Amino acid sequence: GQQVMQIPQYQHVQEGEDFTTYCNSSTTLSNIQWYKQRPGGHPVFLIQLVKSGEVKKQKRLTFQFGEAKKNSSLHITATQTTDVGTYFCAGRNNAGNMLTFGGGTRLMVKP
Amino acid sequence: EADIYQTPRYLVIGTGKKITLECSQTMGHDKMYWYQQDPGMELHLIHYSYGVNSTEKGDLSSESTVSRIRTEHFPLTLESARPSHTSQYLCASSLSYSPLHFGNGTRLTVT
Repeated sequence: GQQVMQIPQYQHVQEGEDFTTYCNSSTTLSNIQWYKQRPGGHPVFLIQLVKSGEVKKQKRLTFQFGEAKKNSSLHITATQTTDVGTYFCAGRNNAGNMLTFGGGTRLMVKP
Repeated sequence: EADIYQTPRYLVIGTGKKITLECSQTMGHDKMYWYQQDPGMELHLIHYSYGVNSTEKGDLSSESTVSRIRTEHFPLTLESARPSHTSQYLCASSLSYSPLHFGNGTRLTVT
């Protein structure tokens, strides 16, 4: 079945440093979604990428979808303590009926 | 925007008890999901429903059962709780294959 791997599992950064999490699927995806879960909270949808090679930005966050539509990345520029949380990618299969979450990357930011 | 509601928020219960975790959404979403998540860890899909009277088991084997008699309501029942069921249970919904909206979760502790 479809597998979505996410690395790294954990990342500690100093406030102001950049951060990147990577997501890789075993199969081609129709789209990929990113979610953020704050400590003690629930996952909240951030963005969806659909097109091959697509790049989207939300303030300091940059999301990319690979040309082959099998991988994606989330890059945060100049992290802040408010960025703390776990970031999950979720890939939808080509049939559209299955959404598979990656294992998440837990980001910790030292002030 | 709490359009998806889970109750109770916290539950501590003894082994062998029957429990029902409630999930309701007011968005008219056709699809609903239950995920199990240990703190800061992966999201495991345990049940999903694509509409009224439609329920399926997810990727993670679970001793729980679900029902979908009304579009807005998707309760999860454990017939006999065990300490291994201690976890957070997250309910989510979506309109067709759009991104998921998650509830605040129920933190279950079985003693």
